[in-house]
Amino acid sequence: DQQVKQNSPSLSVQEGRISILNCDYTNSMFDYFLWYKKYPAEGPTFLISISSIKDKNEDGRFTVFLNKSAKHLSLHIVPSQPGDSAVYFCAASATDDKIIFGKGTRLHILP
Amino acid sequence: NAGVMQNPRHLVRRRGQEARLRCSPMKGHSHVYWYRQLPEEGLKFMVYLQKENIIDESGMPKERFSAEFPKEGPSILRIQQVVRGDSAAYFCASSLGTGDYEQYFGPGTRLTVT
Repeated sequence: DQQVKQNSPSLSVQEGRISILNCDYTNSMFDYFLWYKKYPAEGPTFLISISSIKDKNEDGRFTVFLNKSAKHLSLHIVPSQPGDSAVYFCAASATDDKIIFGKGTRLHILP
Repeated sequence: NAGVMQNPRHLVRRRGQEARLRCSPMKGHSHVYWYRQLPEEGLKFMVYLQKENIIDESGMPKERFSAEFPKEGPSILRIQQVVRGDSAAYFCASSLGTGDYEQYFGPGTRLTVT
């Protein structure tokens, strides 16, 4: 049973446009959400996070939105750049410090 | 380099051999987590350790797999009598401690079982 779901295995976006990556979760006990970025042959890199008491967190070109009632979060990247091409993992945690990851979405930024 | 270190980066073992994967957390981090990534899958939690303690091993297979994080030295993930299905990328992450949700990952060890 997947508690964190990323239903789009891949996404292609034109350079300069907005990339929107979506994530759904099922466990209402999750209180912290994270996005990680992963390049091939490297470990995941922490990108941005959001606590369940907030509905938006912004860091430069990256914004994460949380809709608790829909159990949905999204990552917006604007403007998209070639270096953003990577696999993005959505992750969630309850108070036990264990992080549950989604299967990832591969983002391709097109020139 | 103060990041999470893992070695070896690549490990090839024959079926039935033992695999030992090492992880040195970031300086000042006392919590270590191990994850496994199978092809086309996300990262699956395996085990969460603090120094000399296993906190949560709910994601670890019951047989052949063990993990430790001794008082001195790196955390070790040990897989005995490896089988082909153990071939995967194994990632270690570390964090400062309880309540610090941000985990920092190492580069991973790619285990291939032939």
